[in-house]
Amino acid sequence: EPEVTQTPSHQVTQMGQEVILRCVPISNHLYFYWYRQILGQKVEFLVSFYNNEISEKSEIFDDQFSVERPDGSNFTLKIRSTKLEDSAMYFCASRTSGGVTSTDTQYFGPGTRLTVL
Amino acid sequence: AQKITQTQPGMFVQEKEAVTLDCTYDTSDQSYGLFWYKQPSSGEMIFLIYQGSYDEQNATEGRYSLNFQKARKSANLVISASQLGDSAMYFCAISGYSTLTFGKGTMLLVSP
Repeated sequence: EPEVTQTPSHQVTQMGQEVILRCVPISNHLYFYWYRQILGQKVEFLVSFYNNEISEKSEIFDDQFSVERPDGSNFTLKIRSTKLEDSAMYFCASRTSGGVTSTDTQYFGPGTRLTVL
Repeated sequence: AQKITQTQPGMFVQEKEAVTLDCTYDTSDQSYGLFWYKQPSSGEMIFLIYQGSYDEQNATEGRYSLNFQKARKSANLVISASQLGDSAMYFCAISGYSTLTFGKGTMLLVSP
């Protein structure tokens, strides 16, 4: 069964460093998302991406964040200069279309746990 | 704006019993989807069940069913015949045409 994959599973970085989190969405999906979950808290939307551009972003997704689909399979989240409060689990998700029916379920990757020291 | 409220921080159930996890929502959208995800201790988010706002019948997926009461804006998850492997965090979420908005989750512990 197709699934969303994410690498690395765990990333440790120093404050101020740049990190790139990688995702491979399910191959026939067209809509891509990044969410984050600070330890013990709920999952929060960061950004959605469709047709090679950002379609929506939250207030969390400030100038330090960027997303890219560099080729036909990868979808990346870059944090330019990490802060302590960026420590969280980052989830990539994808879905086939942008409606509200059952076929529009978002499927999540296993997450990347980012630790900023 | 959309909002999900899960009022039960934790629930305990004995193996083989049924349990209901509560979820209420608020939205101004006419069309929306309601989802439940399971997050075990390993951290991944596993999709369990979907209910569309125009679906007249409650959704079912194996041991999972969704008690959808549109007038009350509730979408409770019912797990029948609980198993030890059901111990996890459960999140209710709502989708308009774009993003998912999650609740704070309910931690379910299944005891032998």
